[in-house]
Amino acid sequence: GQNIDQPTEMTATEGAIVQINCTYQTSGFNGLFWYQQHAGEAPTFLSYNVLDGLEEKGRFSSFLSRSKGYSYLLLKELQMKDSASYLCAGMDSNYQLIWGAGTKLIIKP
Amino acid sequence: GAVVSQHPSRVICKSGTSVKIECRSLDFQATTMFWYRQFPKQSLMLMATSNEGSKATYEQGVEKDKFLINHASLTLSTLTVTSAHPEDSSFYICSAGRGDYNEQFFGPGTRLTVL
Repeated sequence: GQNIDQPTEMTATEGAIVQINCTYQTSGFNGLFWYQQHAGEAPTFLSYNVLDGLEEKGRFSSFLSRSKGYSYLLLKELQMKDSASYLCAGMDSNYQLIWGAGTKLIIKP
Repeated sequence: GAVVSQHPSRVICKSGTSVKIECRSLDFQATTMFWYRQFPKQSLMLMATSNEGSKATYEQGVEKDKFLINHASLTLSTLTVTSAHPEDSSFYICSAGRGDYNEQFFGPGTRLTVL
């Protein structure tokens, strides 16, 4: 079956760095997405990885290892506004997104 | 670019009534539109995928006669929840994809409350 696993909740301190891990199992693979979702709002796109390695975009970076079925989202210089849920989603061979349940990130001052 | 609007943002209705939600891609033509439902503290659940001019493909367990989807043009898809019941109360989100399928652009979502 297809499955996305990510931690339910994480806590970090303002100004620090946090890494949110995601493991995936999909039927075929057409990329791994990370989305940010604030409470009561729709998800917003953060990153897309289809090749192994690290993609850096400002304070956010995303890493992919296809051989391990593993990805992580790295958030640096955390700000209070980064408090949100972070959704990991794998795209299968039918171009359908398989969604994780999301990781709720709590930022403390 | 790649803005998706959704209307209404919030709706409260009585049990037994029907509710229509519109999803529009404002600055691009969406070859595919997706409808999701999200219950509190849960992940997005894909309900159906629709391509312009053809019937929607529904996910297993989603009643197509209850959740009517119309994708009449490359910029508009509608979801109608027919005979809504309290258990249909949820956050409904649409997304639109372009030809490359690499990214879905989400609408802001519609909060449906059925009394």
